[in-house]
Amino acid sequence: ELKVEQNPLFLSMQEGKNYTIYCNYSTTSDRLYWYRQDPGKSLESLFVLLSNGAVKQEGRLMASLDTKARLSTLHITAAVHDLSATYFCAVPWWFSNQFYFGTGTSLTVIP
Amino acid sequence: GAVVSQHPSWVICKSGTSVKIECRSLDFQATTMFWYRQFPKQSLMLMATSNEGSKATYEQGVEKDKFLINHASLTLSTLTVTSAHPEDSSFYICSARGKTHAKLNTDTQYFGPGTRLTVL
Repeated sequence: ELKVEQNPLFLSMQEGKNYTIYCNYSTTSDRLYWYRQDPGKSLESLFVLLSNGAVKQEGRLMASLDTKARLSTLHITAAVHDLSATYFCAVPWWFSNQFYFGTGTSLTVIP
Repeated sequence: GAVVSQHPSWVICKSGTSVKIECRSLDFQATTMFWYRQFPKQSLMLMATSNEGSKATYEQGVEKDKFLINHASLTLSTLTVTSAHPEDSSFYICSARGKTHAKLNTDTQYFGPGTRLTVL
């Protein structure tokens, strides 16, 4: 079974600061997805990382993938309150294409 | 494109009753649909994988007789929670994986808005 771990689980940070969320997974995968979830809502797709070394940026968020290290990072630059949400990474299982979700990182940005 | 809808958005029912949740892919054909359950402040847990025209594959620990899944067409899958109990209260999210399409990334799952079930 594929295991996906995120670190940290909870994160409180001040506006304007930078921080990185880490996503480790236990077996080989060449793809990884990042999602955002607001309270009471479903998942919003943020990034699709399709190869080793992939880097994608959207606004204050930047995601990267290192398939050899089985690690993805989600970097937050100059955080703003609107980024407060829970962030999940998800790794597809090559055999069935089902997604294994990380534990989630609950981010609170404090003014 | 690649919109997935769920109906209802939320439902409150009495213990012992059955509840049906629909998941539809609105603008693409979904060969595979997935059903997830999410408890408060927890991650999504896959319940079952549903392929059109065949029986669903359930994850370990998920009772197939309690959570009936039907994938009758390429655009519709249903989850029926039978004899619901308060511990079944949760946020249920479906996702759909598309068939080959020029503008659709078939390796991506597209998530529905979720259905919040409360069993009294």
